[in-house]
Amino acid sequence: NAGVTQTPKFRILKIGQSMTLQCTQDMNHNYMYWYRQDPGMGLKLIYYSVGAGITDKGEVPNGYNVSRSTTEDFPLRLELAAPSQTSVYFCASSPDLNTEAFFGQGTRLTVV
Amino acid sequence: LAKTTQPISMDSYEGQEVNITCSHNNIATNDYITWYQQFPSQGPRFIIQGYKTKVTNEVASLFIPADRKSSTLSLPRVSLSDTAVYYCLVGLMSGSARQLTFGSGTQLTVLP
Repeated sequence: NAGVTQTPKFRILKIGQSMTLQCTQDMNHNYMYWYRQDPGMGLKLIYYSVGAGITDKGEVPNGYNVSRSTTEDFPLRLELAAPSQTSVYFCASSPDLNTEAFFGQGTRLTVV
Repeated sequence: LAKTTQPISMDSYEGQEVNITCSHNNIATNDYITWYQQFPSQGPRFIIQGYKTKVTNEVASLFIPADRKSSTLSLPRVSLSDTAVYYCLVGLMSGSARQLTFGSGTQLTVLP
């Protein structure tokens, strides 16, 4: 049982480039989340999804897009990378809203 | 946007009991309160969850007063390996939007 898997683990982007952070979970969880964590700071919710085909904005959605075509996958898209998006990105999933969330190991993104 | 508030840092010695409090004034009626632990370069890990009064598991206790506007995580007899950042997570109502917001986190340092 792999849990929540994120790829890549590290990435360096140039300003204006685009990329997709991949997240997949094998626990058949309905809820999935994307957070970002800046150095020395707490986690801020970017987007979340309550099931396939349904997504909603979190606290800091600007500059990002998501899709949820399957229960397992919840990719995060950066269209025009900016230095302000340098951060560690965590994906998580949970069976329901008020239940334990399982986190991936994170993707460390640097935009230069 | 409603926020949660935690102490920035706490120090303790091995074997002592540690209590970390989180304030969450705008918690929604049906929301649970969840605490997570995070080590450097890792995703958060679930510790405990509760709705009201007291919850205890094998690693911690969670105390929630009747008004539910705060919660206290209690770690009995901490060890050096408990040095980590601790976050409380609640679903906070902000107008009609739901926000799953982590607190700012408390850096717990356990000293020998």
